[in-house]
Parts: sequence; structure tokens; C-alpha cells
Amino acid sequence: DIQMTQSPSSLSASVGVRVTITCRASQSISSYLNWYLQKPGKAPKLLIYAASSLQSGVPSRFSGSGSGTDFTLTISSLHPEDFATYYCQQSYSSPWTFGQGTKVEIK
Amino acid sequence: QLHLQESGPGLVKPSETLSLTCTVSGAPITSKAYYWGWIRQSPGKGLEWVGSFYHSVSTYSNPSLQSRVTVSTDTSKNQFSLKLTSVTAADTAVYFCARDDLMGSSSRLDYWGQGTLVTVSS
Repeated sequence: DIQMTQSPSSLSASVGVRVTITCRASQSISSYLNWYLQKPGKAPKLLIYAASSLQSGVPSRFSGSGSGTDFTLTISSLHPEDFATYYCQQSYSSPWTFGQGTKVEIK
Repeated sequence: QLHLQESGPGLVKPSETLSLTCTVSGAPITSKAYYWGWIRQSPGKGLEWVGSFYHSVSTYSNPSLQSRVTVSTDTSKNQFSLKLTSVTAADTAVYFCARDDLMGSSSRLDYWGQGTLVTVSS
């Protein structure tokens, strides 16, 4: 199985700041990388697919980049509703696997 | 608008079979454009893909669970189901059903049910 490792595991940030989360795959996954946001008690919500494509309806402050083994999710200016846990997921080879999550908390 | 809803018992005894159903409204599960599957989330293991099916014909499951997982469909009701046999406390989790949108050789989980908590306990 392909292992996905996110960093950091958690971070504290203020509204309006730029936030970057990284995801590393244990082998090359080309651009087959998706990002999700999850709030407590809710299902994950797709933000970014194919490493850098913004899912319909997702605000443009979210962006993704990377290919191969190293990927980044960036929130250009943190909004109050962005405080949540973020997950990366590879869709390069079965079984699909997820990162362990990055919890973004209010500072 | 696509909607997925999980249903099934919230409590299962150890060694018994976990059975869940996902009812889909807004799109046919027979579509060749999508996989439909199950993902679970437990505090100890995070998010874990359990299994999926395609075009009501082909089924796939996580090798770590493969011998215990069955994914089946009822196209007349636009539903698909999960059966996980010989459960233990490690199978306690929130189970989500989701649509896996095929994009060439890749995919994205673009619609999810709200999730249902299944606890394995005697």
C-alpha cells in the first residue's frame, strides 16, 4: 500500500493568515492526489482533485500543488469556517489511502 | 442534487456480521462514470477505504479486509450494501458511503453520506 504522510499534524493560526499543509507519498503517485476538509461530526468534503484542480463550489483561497511524491495544500487567507481537519488521499493505486490528517485550530 | 444515506444497526456483537446499506438519490448506481464505495473512520486508524463496486458488476476491497468484505447492489432500489464478517472491536468506526468519480485513470471521492457509527461490543 502507498503510505501518505502529512505535516504538520496540527497547527494554530489566526484568521487572515496564509496556511500551508504538506503531504508526502511513499512512492510516486504522479498527480493523483486529492485534498479533503472535515469538520467534527461531518463527512469529508472534497476541496482539490488531481493535485491542483479546484472542486466546483470551493473558494479560490484554496489551492494545491505538487507531483510525484510531494504535495502542498495552501489556504491563502484563513477564514473562520476553515478551521477543520484536512486530509490528503492518493488515487494512483488501489487501495486508496489517506494521510493521517492536519488539524487547523484557531490561535 | 446527489444524496447518499447510510443505514443499519449501530451496535454489532463481536464475531458477528456488520451490515450497512447506502441509499442513493439523484444518480443511478449503474452509471459507468462512477465507482461507489465505503470508507470508514476510526480514532485509531483514521480514514480507511473499505471497498467499492463498478457498474454493479465489479467489486473491489481493501486487501487488509478482503476476505471479510462483501459489497453488493440492489439496482431496483438504487442501493448498495456492505457486509463485514467476523467483526472485532477494531471494526468500530464511522462508516461512510461515497461516490468515486472516475477521471480517466484517476478518481475523486466527490459525494459522501453523512456517516453512521457502528460499535462492536457485546
